[in-house]
Amino acid sequence: NAGVTQTPKFQVLKTGQSMTLQCAQDMNHEYMSWYRQDPGMGLRLIHYSVGAGITDQGEVPNGYNVSRSTTEDFPLRLLSAAPSQTSVYFCASSYGQSAEAFFGQGTRLTVV
Amino acid sequence: GQQVMQIPQYQHVQEGEDFTTYCNSSTTLSNIQWYKQRPGGHPVFLIQLVKSGEVKKQKRLTFQFGEAKKNSSLHITATQTTDVGTYFCAEDLIQGAQKLVFGQGTRLTINP
Repeated sequence: NAGVTQTPKFQVLKTGQSMTLQCAQDMNHEYMSWYRQDPGMGLRLIHYSVGAGITDQGEVPNGYNVSRSTTEDFPLRLLSAAPSQTSVYFCASSYGQSAEAFFGQGTRLTVV
Repeated sequence: GQQVMQIPQYQHVQEGEDFTTYCNSSTTLSNIQWYKQRPGGHPVFLIQLVKSGEVKKQKRLTFQFGEAKKNSSLHITATQTTDVGTYFCAEDLIQGAQKLVFGQGTRLTINP
């Protein structure tokens, strides 16, 4: 039982490049979400999903796409990376009304 | 949009001293969750409060939810070096769906 697994752990991109941050959970959790964490700003919700095939925008969705084709996976796509997207990205999952969110180890992304 | 304000931003204490962090909202909160993030780590769920005036304890940690459900606090008694980290409060806008709005966090450092 690995929990929530994020890959890669570190990534450097050039401005304009695209990439996908991977998130997988093996706990059969319905709910998954993506956050970005910037210094002094806490975590901000990018996109979230309440089940396979259902996604919705969070607080800061611009520049990011998501899809949820399976319960286990929730990839985050950066369409055209910008320096403002330099951040630490966390994926989280939870089950129903249990409240407890399980976070992945994070992906530290630098856009130059 | 919803905002959860957290104070102080930083707190440095001597080991053995107490520590408190506060979360405040201008609107009524449906719930409040607390997370701890160790340096370089990921957020780890501590607790959720739902009821007005609720108080919960976990060993040296005491969590309170205000009577008006507009504020919450986390109090640590007799801090230990293992308490070092950043403590976040968050409101789950859709109960259980992990649509979390985080406070900015309180970074706790401890002098041994």
